[in-house]
Amino acid sequence: DIQMTQSPSTLSASVGDRVTITCRASQSISSWLAWYQQKPGKAPKLLIYKASSLESGVPSRFSGSGSGTEFTLTINSLQPDDFATYYCQQYKSYCTFGQGTKLEIK
Amino acid sequence: QLHLQESGPGLVKPSETLSLSCHVSGGSISSDDHYWGWIRQPPGKGLEWIGTISYGGSTYYNPSLKSRVTISVDTSKNQFSLGLTSVTAADTAIFYCARFFTSSLGGHSPIRWGQGTLVAVSS
Repeated sequence: DIQMTQSPSTLSASVGDRVTITCRASQSISSWLAWYQQKPGKAPKLLIYKASSLESGVPSRFSGSGSGTEFTLTINSLQPDDFATYYCQQYKSYCTFGQGTKLEIK
Repeated sequence: QLHLQESGPGLVKPSETLSLSCHVSGGSISSDDHYWGWIRQPPGKGLEWIGTISYGGSTYYNPSLKSRVTISVDTSKNQFSLGLTSVTAADTAIFYCARFFTSSLGGHSPIRWGQGTLVAVSS
């Protein structure tokens, strides 16, 4: 099984900040990685696929990078709407999610 | 615009079988390269993939749940279903149905989600 580990678990930031969330895979997954945003009471929303491709309609302040075992999600110029929980997910073999990173207002 | 809607009982007794359906609108469930499946999220916790079914009926299950899970497709109703047997309180969760993208290596990534439905396991 491929395990996914995100860090940090919680991140405090202010509107306008630039933040980075890291996701590590227990083995190489090439670029088979997606990022999701989830707000309370809502289903997750796809942000990034294939590690760095922006899903249609997602603001350009979101970006993804990495390959192999280490990946990052970067949000530039945080907006109030961005405070949520973020999950990475590998799809090289079956489907595994990271444990989530809660982005809080400082 | 593809829309997925879960339905089923919100309360299931321990040891019984949890059964949910997901109706798909705005597209055909039989379309080539469309995969469908389920993900769950215990209250306040993370996401867990349950399983996926291909347009051709091939199924792929989370190894940790494989012995208890069945996913099937009903093309006449444009819907697919989840069965989870021998449930316990640990199976209490929000269950999401989703359309999946499948990679060339056989991995699955949910790209369109239903709104989710909470199922509690309690006597």
